[in-house]
Amino acid sequence: AQKITQTQPGMFVQEKEAVTLDCTYDTSDQSYGLFWYKQPSSGEMIFLIYQGSYDEQNATEGRYSLNFQKARKSANLVISASQLGDSAMYFCAMRSPGGSYIPTFGRGTSLIVHP
Amino acid sequence: GAGVSQSPSNKVTEKGKDVELRCDPISGHTALYWYRQSLGQGLEFLIYFQGNSAPDKSGLPSDRFSAERTGGSVSTLTIQRTQQEDSAVYLCASSSFGGMEETQYFGPGTRLLVL
Repeated sequence: AQKITQTQPGMFVQEKEAVTLDCTYDTSDQSYGLFWYKQPSSGEMIFLIYQGSYDEQNATEGRYSLNFQKARKSANLVISASQLGDSAMYFCAMRSPGGSYIPTFGRGTSLIVHP
Repeated sequence: GAGVSQSPSNKVTEKGKDVELRCDPISGHTALYWYRQSLGQGLEFLIYFQGNSAPDKSGLPSDRFSAERTGGSVSTLTIQRTQQEDSAVYLCASSSFGGMEETQYFGPGTRLLVL
């Protein structure tokens, strides 16, 4: 069975600073994909970044980067130069053959950006 | 718009009544997912449709829950004899073909309150 763990229920960061949101995963599959989504208070889930298990480089998308440490089974999201609009819930998710390619989500981390 | 749409956006019902929630996926997407999100929780998988294949119903919490997808497009999630614990946000998502590296596109959700 695949599992996603997000141990930080809430995080606070000062505007313009960087913040790291933790995600660890568990799977017996060798091939899998890792995703991060943002859910603002409006409720809609917004895709941020993707990392494949065989990708040698850490994924980056603008101010978002994924710190992928395969041996530790961690896929932390790094947000650089935080903005007030980054305040939201952040979910880590994984897809793998063992999970029938149905994404499994963590419980999320609430990020609040202070001015 | 070209995104995933869901209706109604909010639904208040009395315990014991049946409700139907609708999802219109992105045109051409063969994969469709239903999730449930309770207050402060992550996403709980309910059911997955892929093309003309039999749906994966492994996440449905009880036989009061059912879903269908007509013509490979619109999907309806039905909850019979609603209970107060069914109160949650029901999210629908679609993706092109359900591949491992594909992101899901989410609708805005239906907020269900059972009194």
